[in-house]
Formats: sequence, structure tokens, C-alpha cells
Amino acid sequence: DTEVTQTPKHLVMGMTNKKSLKCEQHMGHRAMYWYKQKAKKPPELMFVYSYEKLSINESVPSRFSPECPNSSLLNLHLHALQPEDSALYLCASSQEPLGPGADQYFGPGTRLLVL
Amino acid sequence: AQSVTQLGSHVSVSEGALVLLRCNYSSSVPPYLFWYVQYPNQGLQLLLKYTSAATLVKGINGFEAEFKKSETSFHLTKPSAHMSDAAEYFCAVRTNSGYSTLTFGKGTMLLVSP
Repeated sequence: DTEVTQTPKHLVMGMTNKKSLKCEQHMGHRAMYWYKQKAKKPPELMFVYSYEKLSINESVPSRFSPECPNSSLLNLHLHALQPEDSALYLCASSQEPLGPGADQYFGPGTRLLVL
Repeated sequence: AQSVTQLGSHVSVSEGALVLLRCNYSSSVPPYLFWYVQYPNQGLQLLLKYTSAATLVKGINGFEAEFKKSETSFHLTKPSAHMSDAAEYFCAVRTNSGYSTLTFGKGTMLLVSP
């Protein structure tokens, strides 16, 4: 199994809603990542989890709250988002957080629309 | 800091023609370099990677890339384009200080006409 799965595929939410994005991998990877991708732009790194601990937070607003309940699962909790947060949210994982085993494999993404 | 520059936001080719997507990198140390492809409304798929084992790297779907240190380039090629190759292509470099985060180029949209 070489797949990263993400749910839901699409999400529409209001600015007062609370929602969560889910990412799962069963490859035994020990690093997981959240990216945000706006239309016609490259992905931008948001968070890195290494061995279930938050290792990198790229100055992301607190309305985005990541969580790594176990080594296979990564969540992104959303609260009080703004319309400009509408984007494709990509999850990725890698065998290791650095070195030769750090090749990242991406999920299909969740397309988020904030109204 | 490491970075990559992709020349050309759009490249148009005819089906069966050579595909050449350009990527130049900036790095003070030997980099890990990657090409990813993104089809519409999908995530990124790893096409190929350079890790200093060989300068000519073969990837999936008939793509290959050649690492040229003298030109600081890692251009992506395919001898004969297929309609299904139409997608966005991202070159990326992996930082090697601390955690191995990816830095992406701005992307090149490949358009294939019949």
C-alpha cells in the first residue's frame, strides 16, 4: 500500500464553522506534512510532524490546528476561517523526516471553500 | 537557502513531439532534486528524483531528467508527448539543513495538442 488518503475530497464551510481534514497513510512513514495550495501556485508548507511530534510550523495562523493522534493519522482542525483560506489542502508523508528516506508522497487533497 | 527556478509558466507541444521542461537550481551543497506532476484536481505525483547516484534519472511515464552541475540544471524530458501528459509539472529541491522540507518552483503547465 503506497497511498496517502485524504477526506473529505471537497468541503464548503462558513466562517463560523468548525471542521476537520483527515489524512491517513499505512506505509509506516514517520513524517507527515500539511501543505496549502492556491490556484496556479505551488504548494506551501504549513506543518511538519516527525514521529508524531510537531516539528515545523511555518507561522500558520492559529485558526489552523494540526493534530497527529498516531503514526498513521494526521488531522487539520479548522475554525473561524477566512475566504482567503479557500485552497487545496494537501497531505504528504515520508519514511523519515530527513535523509535518503525523506521522499514525500502526496495525497489527492481536500478542496476547501470558505464562504 | 536552496531554490529552484522553472523557466516558462506554459509549454505547448504537439502530440508526439519532444517535451522539455526547464529547471535550474540554486544550492551551495549537492541537492536532492525532484520532479512532481499534478493532474487537474489531483495531488502531486512523484515523477523522478536525483540523489547523486546517477546524473541521468529515469522516472515514470517515460520521463527522464539529467542533472548538470556545470549548468545547475535538472531539465525534464520525454521523447514523445502524449495527450495524457497534459498537466502541471513542479520542480522541487529538498533542503538538507534540519528537516528535509521541499521548496517548489512555480510550476510549468504542459499543454499537448493533437
